[in-house]
Amino acid sequence: EAQVTQNPRYLITVTGKKLTVTCSQNMNHEYMSWYRQDPGLGLRQIYYSMNVEVTDKGDVPEGYKVSRKEKRNFPLILESPSPNQTSLYFCASSLTVQGATNYGYTFGSGTRLTVV
Amino acid sequence: AQSVTQLGSHVSVSEGALVLLRCNYSSSVPPYLFWYVQYPNQGLQLLLKYTSAATLVKGINGFEAEFKKSETSFHLTKPSAHMSDAAEYFCAVSEASSYKLIFGSGTRLLVRP
Repeated sequence: EAQVTQNPRYLITVTGKKLTVTCSQNMNHEYMSWYRQDPGLGLRQIYYSMNVEVTDKGDVPEGYKVSRKEKRNFPLILESPSPNQTSLYFCASSLTVQGATNYGYTFGSGTRLTVV
Repeated sequence: AQSVTQLGSHVSVSEGALVLLRCNYSSSVPPYLFWYVQYPNQGLQLLLKYTSAATLVKGINGFEAEFKKSETSFHLTKPSAHMSDAAEYFCAVSEASSYKLIFGSGTRLLVRP
């Protein structure tokens, strides 16, 4: 089944403890992106990647890192999480950059992160 | 900068009633427009998209949306609400020269029995 898989689905952590949220897609998509969803704000883009080893900042990149060493994986790294990073996170992918514009994304099921 | 405005963070309708979820966008060029649905504890699923082929777009689950350039709107409708339609709905916009979707703040649809 074609899908975007995120892990974990739920995570509670403490301030300052490094964590990684994994994202993997099995559709050979070039374009991948991370969003965070907060009440009343909709989804905001954190980082995106147009292909292997090509990443760039979105609208709210502060406090996050990403890497794209393989086409299928796009992990989101929080080096020193803070309570304001408590949110619902989504990974998304699209076949191409142009496809992301024209056809939209395929989304993962989300990771609910709580930082205490 | 582009933006998307969804009027009403919550909309409540009776089962069988018309569903109307409003979306207005700001864009200097003809945009690509999308509606996504998010069911509880799930990711976002594409409902329908407008890519300039036709102004009335039909999507899944009986939803449709009409692109009105003069009003910069892309409202989502469904003639008769079902209980299973209860979810959060997001409107999103992308320009041809861009590579990301910009989302509205979402509208939560409640369906009363």
